[in-house]
Amino acid sequence: EVQLLESGGGLVQPGGSLRLSCAASGFTFINYAMNWVRQAPGKGLECVSSISGGAKSTYYADSVKGRFTISRDNSKNTLYLQMNTLRVEDTAVYFCAKAPVTWGSGFYFDLWGRGTLVTVSS
Amino acid sequence: DIQMTQSPSSLSASVGDRVTITCRASQDISNLLAWYQQKPGKAPKSLIYAASSLQTGVPSRFSGSTSGTDFSLTISSLQPEDFATYYCQQYYRYPFTFGQGTKLDIK
Repeated sequence: EVQLLESGGGLVQPGGSLRLSCAASGFTFINYAMNWVRQAPGKGLECVSSISGGAKSTYYADSVKGRFTISRDNSKNTLYLQMNTLRVEDTAVYFCAKAPVTWGSGFYFDLWGRGTLVTVSS
Repeated sequence: DIQMTQSPSSLSASVGDRVTITCRASQDISNLLAWYQQKPGKAPKSLIYAASSLQTGVPSRFSGSTSGTDFSLTISSLQPEDFATYYCQQYYRYPFTFGQGTKLDIK
């Protein structure tokens, strides 16, 4: 079955760190760019980071640049998001999302996971 | 950043109705627009890409169209499972931006 399964969310204090994981199955992982898209409570969607199939290219939204690091282990079919110096405004459900291409100037997301909740609060 | 203005923000309709949701881009994005459906507590689901191409497995009652920088998602005959929130997304330029969503509920 084609699916994405996120894990690693939880409650963390402002300034803390958290590492999210996304396990992929049912498709050739290395062939596709992967992304993290977040949704703050009651809000819309924001693409925070993307990584190419071969992990040579990355993108970060200005809101997370310098604090978050995206990576992938193609031998384990797993995507990661290392989140440091977390802020209250990072509180959101974080979705793992697959693009239908390896990389490019633009892409949409054709497969999504169910998300993992990150709560930043003291 | 490219702004995506979605309307209406909410919509009440009945089973069998034809409904249209609109998304306006703040600049030319060619046809690089996608539509998603999200139900409460669930992952978003891809419906349409390239403004009018139907994702595999999506019912044909869903369709997309474009007129300049205005994009529309139409559901020709609402089914009970279609009540959800719908988002548009441009992928013409980074950062890829989403509309604020349209919540479609039962009248």
